[in-house]
Amino acid sequence: AQTVTQSQPEMSVQEAETVTLSCTYDTSESNYYLFWYKQPPSRQMILVIRQEAYKQQNATENRFSVNFQKAAKSFSLKISDSQLGDTAMYFCAFMKPGGATNKLIFGTGTLLAVQP
Amino acid sequence: DTGVSQDPRHKITKRGQNVTFRCDPISEHNRLYWYRQTLGQGPEFLTYFQNEAQLEKSRLLSDRFSAERPKGSFSTLEIQRTEQGDSAMYLCASSPRQGRNTEAFFGQGTRLTVV
Repeated sequence: AQTVTQSQPEMSVQEAETVTLSCTYDTSESNYYLFWYKQPPSRQMILVIRQEAYKQQNATENRFSVNFQKAAKSFSLKISDSQLGDTAMYFCAFMKPGGATNKLIFGTGTLLAVQP
Repeated sequence: DTGVSQDPRHKITKRGQNVTFRCDPISEHNRLYWYRQTLGQGPEFLTYFQNEAQLEKSRLLSDRFSAERPKGSFSTLEIQRTEQGDSAMYLCASSPRQGRNTEAFFGQGTRLTVV
């Protein structure tokens, strides 16, 4: 069974600074997807960034980038130029594609607070 | 289309009562998921529909829980004889047909409190 671990329950960063959120996972699959989702207070979860395991190049989306280390089963999220609107709970998630469901397996989350 | 919609947003119920939640997915999405999120935890998968067929149920889904998706459109999740341990946020998500687009779109959730 796949598991996702986020070892940082809470983090804080100053506005305009850079922060890195950690995620490790365990799987015997070779083909899978990894995601970072953002859940702002009282709002729905939205996708931040997605990485396909067979792609060696790290995904980037504007100020968000990942460091995907397949052999180490590590998938960290870097947020550059942090903004107050980045304050949210961040979840790392794993998905094995091609099966019947494409269900997501989530970590326990990291609460990020961006300080002015 | 305004995204995935869930109703109600909040529900307080007495232990032993039945509750029903509704999810309206994005209209062209044929995949629909229910997840449960308790305090301090990430969402946990409950069940999955492809069109109107319920193709997978987690062992978390006891026999007090039932979900339907008639006609492959909206879905309902019913909890019978609620218990305090059922208190959680219930999230619905939808995604398009299987393909390279793997993004799941989430609703705002229904927060259930059992007193």
